[in-house]
Amino acid sequence: SQQGEEDPQALSIQEGENATMNCSYKTSINNLQWYRQNSGRGLVHLILIRSNEREKHSGRLRVTLDTSKKSSSLLITASRAADTASYFCATDEGTSYGKLTFGQGTILTVHP
Amino acid sequence: DTGVSQNPRHKITKRGQNVTFRCDPISEHNRLYWYRQTLGQGPEFLTYFQNEAQLEKSRLLSDRFSAERPKGSFSTLEIQRTEQGDSAMYLCASRSGTERSEQYFGPGTRLTVT
Repeated sequence: SQQGEEDPQALSIQEGENATMNCSYKTSINNLQWYRQNSGRGLVHLILIRSNEREKHSGRLRVTLDTSKKSSSLLITASRAADTASYFCATDEGTSYGKLTFGQGTILTVHP
Repeated sequence: DTGVSQNPRHKITKRGQNVTFRCDPISEHNRLYWYRQTLGQGPEFLTYFQNEAQLEKSRLLSDRFSAERPKGSFSTLEIQRTEQGDSAMYLCASRSGTERSEQYFGPGTRLTVT
């Protein structure tokens, strides 16, 4: 079953703009991870944030985590056409062997 | 290439046939996961191996599904008597045994059951 919801389901922006995607989840977690998937391909890990962290940065990516609201957001700054992909949040609930529970994803389209 | 590899990349089979997929994880990773992804959805967990031991299975893994990881290296996922509902992308991922860390995914095997 899916852990939660991602919002929006689809996002269309122009190159250079920022893109923000949100993820909500239902249970307590050990960590939350964001992945990118290009059409029909495997998933690429972007960033991992642990439950005791509130914000993390990696290049043009910024992730926040609010465990009280059970939500996370992914911000991509200065987007590029190559950022066009589906983005998934995934939670590690810490009660099993590190299996991930994914949201349904946000489809991001960046127009050149 | 030292990433996770999966074979075949695509498989088309007729309903009722058996299929087997292979996953080769990153060599130093002792933890291996199988997920299934249908169109427009996020991946869903199927099963987990730590070395050669299968330690967790999802209820999604019906009796027609079996997975193995002999010698704790590569893994196989077999589906017997395939059904049209088995059509999906089957993803394999591996990670190291250290503190909860990211999983590295293979390119997936896309199964189409006709």
